[in-house]
Amino acid sequence: QVQLQESGPGLVKPSQTLSLTCTVSGGSISSGDYYWSWIRQHPGKGLQWIGYIYYSGYTYSGRTYYNPSLESRVTISVDTSKNQLSLRLTSVTAADTALYYCARYQPPGFDYWGQGTLVTVSS
Amino acid sequence: EILLTQSPDFQSVTPKEKVTITCRASQSIDSSLHWYQQKPDQSPKLLIKYASLSISGVPSRFSGSGSGTDFTLTINGLEAEDAAAYYCHQSSSLPQTFGQGTKLEIK
Repeated sequence: QVQLQESGPGLVKPSQTLSLTCTVSGGSISSGDYYWSWIRQHPGKGLQWIGYIYYSGYTYSGRTYYNPSLESRVTISVDTSKNQLSLRLTSVTAADTALYYCARYQPPGFDYWGQGTLVTVSS
Repeated sequence: EILLTQSPDFQSVTPKEKVTITCRASQSIDSSLHWYQQKPDQSPKLLIKYASLSISGVPSRFSGSGSGTDFTLTINGLEAEDAAAYYCHQSSSLPQTFGQGTKLEIK
């Protein structure tokens, strides 16, 4: 059974960088069959796809896809040695306050999700 | 970006009722429309893929239909445990997008 667990600071100051990690267990992040994703949910609101990475264990490289609305500030990467997915979001504002989920995307749907981690942007 | 608009935003329903939630896409997405259920304080759960294909383990009372721009999620014989928010999601083109959600309250 695949499990995902997000971790990271719950409070980030405005203009700083939000950094989150997602630890994947029960499956290899480099299996090449999936896209490893970040999705966020603003308080009481809907879901916003941030982006995902497709990592190939054959070529040892990842290809990233980002939401254009966040692309200039987002980086998604993987650490295959730790079986972890990471999110960096720079220059955060209060509008980035949200519950951040990591999720596995196996086309066409997101089939496994972490429990989510709440990040508040405040001074 | 493809906009997905769900209706209604909120619905209060009684057990055993039939519930219909609609999702309209701003342009044709063929059948690349999927449905999720999010119970309070839980992560979303995939219910239906490709508009009408069932997911293993999901109760048969959940069904989907539609193609192009108009889609429907139907719950036949609502149960108390179905109190949740329901979201549609399109994978036709990037960025992938979600509807704003429909919250179901059980009377």
